[in-house]
Amino acid sequence: QKEVEQNSGPLSVPEGAIASLNCTYSDRGSQSFFWYRQYSGKSPELIMSIYSNGDKEDGRFTAQLNKASQYVSLLIRDSQPSDSATYLCAVEAIFYGGATNKLIFGTGTLLAVQP
Amino acid sequence: EAQVTQNPRYLITVTGKKLTVTCSQNMNHEYMSWYRQDPGLGLRQIYYSMNVEVTDKGDVPEGYKVSRKEKRNFPLILESPSPNQTSLYFCASSLGEASGGFSYNEQFFGPGTRLTVL
Repeated sequence: QKEVEQNSGPLSVPEGAIASLNCTYSDRGSQSFFWYRQYSGKSPELIMSIYSNGDKEDGRFTAQLNKASQYVSLLIRDSQPSDSATYLCAVEAIFYGGATNKLIFGTGTLLAVQP
Repeated sequence: EAQVTQNPRYLITVTGKKLTVTCSQNMNHEYMSWYRQDPGLGLRQIYYSMNVEVTDKGDVPEGYKVSRKEKRNFPLILESPSPNQTSLYFCASSLGEASGGFSYNEQFFGPGTRLTVL
């Protein structure tokens, strides 16, 4: 069973701090990784995708991928109260080495940014 | 505007009364998928479609049907809804192209349908 694991939180950080969200996955062959943000009662919104080992930066967001450790993380710099949401890690399932388009989601980490 | 739309957004129904939730995308995406989201269980895939007339079961297909007669539409059908199908439902789509182990396929979600079955 392919799995994606996240701490459910809540992760509480003060406004202006760096929030660090972590995710591990079980399928060693996975190549595509995504972070979604979901506000309560709303749909998941894609904020980052990452495919290669290392860091990928987009504004205040940095995604980090370590395929050897099967670990992907999301850093949010200068956290704002509007960043308070659930962050979902998603990993594309692989079947016999080929991409499937199917995303396996973690259950999400609730981030609370305190003003 | 590129988007995935779903209707209805909210639905309260009774056990056994057939219903359909529509999903439409205007991005010419080949891959479409239905998820349900329940507290503590996260997003679980119900059915997916790789292209027109090509559909397959996801992780929790029992009690659901789908069809893909046109590329843009992917309706979810509950022939005889039961209370355990009360959930938040999302439709999503992506390009669907793949090369080797990579698809670069970012999935985009519709706004969701909150279904209550009494």
